[in-house]
Amino acid sequence: DAMVIQNPRYQVTQFGKPVTLSCSQTLNHNVMYWYQQKSSQAPKLLFHYYDKDFNNEADTPDNFQSRRPNTSFCFLDIRSPGLGDAAMYLCATSRVRGGVGYEQYFGPGTRLTVT
Amino acid sequence: AQSVTQLGSHVSVSEGALVLLRCNYSSSVPPYLFWYVQYPNQGLQLLLKYTTGATLVKGINGFEAEFKKSETSFHLTKPSAHMSDAAEYFCAVSLNYGGATNKLIFGTGTLLAVQP
Repeated sequence: DAMVIQNPRYQVTQFGKPVTLSCSQTLNHNVMYWYQQKSSQAPKLLFHYYDKDFNNEADTPDNFQSRRPNTSFCFLDIRSPGLGDAAMYLCATSRVRGGVGYEQYFGPGTRLTVT
Repeated sequence: AQSVTQLGSHVSVSEGALVLLRCNYSSSVPPYLFWYVQYPNQGLQLLLKYTTGATLVKGINGFEAEFKKSETSFHLTKPSAHMSDAAEYFCAVSLNYGGATNKLIFGTGTLLAVQP
């Protein structure tokens, strides 16, 4: 089945130690998104890629960066995790065609713990 | 600017009872509207969507929602709740209608509890 895959599902890192979260998709969608979701809150968009074009949200901290080496993969890098970065990180994809966007498909998420 | 309001952060129903989760939106253009469900420690799963056409949309797991432009609402319903419906539900509106990236604006979510 076509899907969005996130690895690992659970990640523990130390305060200040760089960490990378991975997302891959078999849907061949041209847009990929990264969200941060804290407990009992709605997902918050950090940034997205439309093909190779990177689009950062205005309030996303510089500590968060992303890479998309090809259509299938997208990475979230947290350069110096703080305790406040502990959250669920969700990857999503969508297809945009002819100027029209369609629904987003989400991966299972990576739960990040910062010790 | 587009926004979404979900009334009731917690809703509790008995098994077999009607489920009604409320969502109101604000949009300056015809909206695309979505309902997503999230089970504990899982990602979001699309329940249903409204883009154009029929205002009553049916989704997975017996859920449906009706787009009412005059009321700016998109409430989610299910005639008979199952224990497995216990989860968090998010209503969302699409930003950049017809645009290149289809960003979503989420409501704050409604946690549905189903009592035996």
